[in-house]
Amino acid sequence: KQEVTQIPAALSVPEGENLVLNCSFTDSAIYNLQWFRQDPGKGLTSLLLIQSSQREQTSGRLNASLDKSSGRSTLYIAASQPGDSATYLCAVNQAGTALIFGKGTTLSVSS
Amino acid sequence: NAGVMQNPRHLVRRRGQEARLRCSPMKGHSHVYWYRQLPEEGLKFMVYLQKENIIDESGMPKERFSAEFPKEGPSILRIQQVVRGDSAAYFCASSPEGGSYTFGSGTRLTVV
Repeated sequence: KQEVTQIPAALSVPEGENLVLNCSFTDSAIYNLQWFRQDPGKGLTSLLLIQSSQREQTSGRLNASLDKSSGRSTLYIAASQPGDSATYLCAVNQAGTALIFGKGTTLSVSS
Repeated sequence: NAGVMQNPRHLVRRRGQEARLRCSPMKGHSHVYWYRQLPEEGLKFMVYLQKENIIDESGMPKERFSAEFPKEGPSILRIQQVVRGDSAAYFCASSPEGGSYTFGSGTRLTVV
């Protein structure tokens, strides 16, 4: 059974810092890995999708990497801003199955 | 493209009533997923559907819960005889075959 773990559970940084969020999964035979952002009381916003054949994806200040063999992904956020404060969720699936989520990392960026 | 539409946004039901949650997927998406989120907890998978078929319902309680995605119309998550423990946010997502998930804004169910 696939399990997804995200470390740390919470992170507080001052504005401008670069930071890394970690995600690990127990079964490396994944199809896709997707990072989401969730603001309090809101739905999920997709940030980046990495297919199993890819090693990284970039969007603006965000970069996500995937190491399937070790069962790990990282989300790198450059030059953090207060507007980046949210919970970041990592999820993976295998072919023909639904995404399984980690519990998330709650990020707080202070100005 | 209006995205994934869920309604209602908020739903209050008394214990023992039925709750019906609706989800209209994005245009062109044939796969629908339902998740439940409790306060301070992660998203728990409930059920995965394609048009007229349930692909995986392993996360859905066997009693009182059912889901459908008919040929025409939205996907429905139905909870019969609701109890206080059913109070949660229910999220729907859709995707094309093997593609990126798009989530709706959720339905927040409160059982009183």
